[in-house]
Amino acid sequence: ETGVTQSPTHLIKTRGQQVTLRCSSQSGHNTVSWYQQALGQGPQFIFQYYREEENGRGNFPPRFSGLQFPNYSSELNVNALELDDSALYLCASSLWTSGRGDEQFFGPGTRLTVL
Amino acid sequence: AQSVSQHNHHVILSEAASLELGCNYSYGGTVNLFWYVQYPGQHLQLLLKYFSGDPLVKGIKGFEAEFIKSKFSFNLRKPSVQWSDTAEYFCAVVPNSNSGYALNFGKGTSLLVTP
Repeated sequence: ETGVTQSPTHLIKTRGQQVTLRCSSQSGHNTVSWYQQALGQGPQFIFQYYREEENGRGNFPPRFSGLQFPNYSSELNVNALELDDSALYLCASSLWTSGRGDEQFFGPGTRLTVL
Repeated sequence: AQSVSQHNHHVILSEAASLELGCNYSYGGTVNLFWYVQYPGQHLQLLLKYFSGDPLVKGIKGFEAEFIKSKFSFNLRKPSVQWSDTAEYFCAVVPNSNSGYALNFGKGTSLLVTP
């Protein structure tokens, strides 16, 4: 059983650029959630995807968007990068059954630095 | 605003000391509760979870937590810490009123266990 993987590990961008982060969910999982963890803070929920549809969204602007693919992998896209977008971006996968989720398994994260 | 509060941001203990980390939340209704741990250089991983039933929950590595509904609390405990427990600890709450299944995290507690 493979765990959650994320790519790239680290990324440096400049203000105004766009970025795409990738996540492969754990085998058997059908739901992917994305979180932003700023330095010294707990992770903050960005959004969740289930069956290729957005299944919930946190307090993030529309320039944060995502996709889930038929194999349950996912992308997080951020447009018009701002300095405050510098953070660790975490992907978590889980199995959604009977209208509820279960434990979320986290990947190692992508460290994004915006200059 | 609804939130998750972890009272201690930094805790330093000697090996064999007892540990209690506080967590309070402000969501009404039914909640699911979690403690996650992040060891240095590693992924976030689940220590324990509470969905329903016995409010005293046992997790991995000798950790336990008690859900006290009247106090909106879910404190983490361990009778005797080891140097290997040095890590960042996060309390997280999923309100059942959520659309989706978003983990709402506290800011975390950094635990340092000294020999």
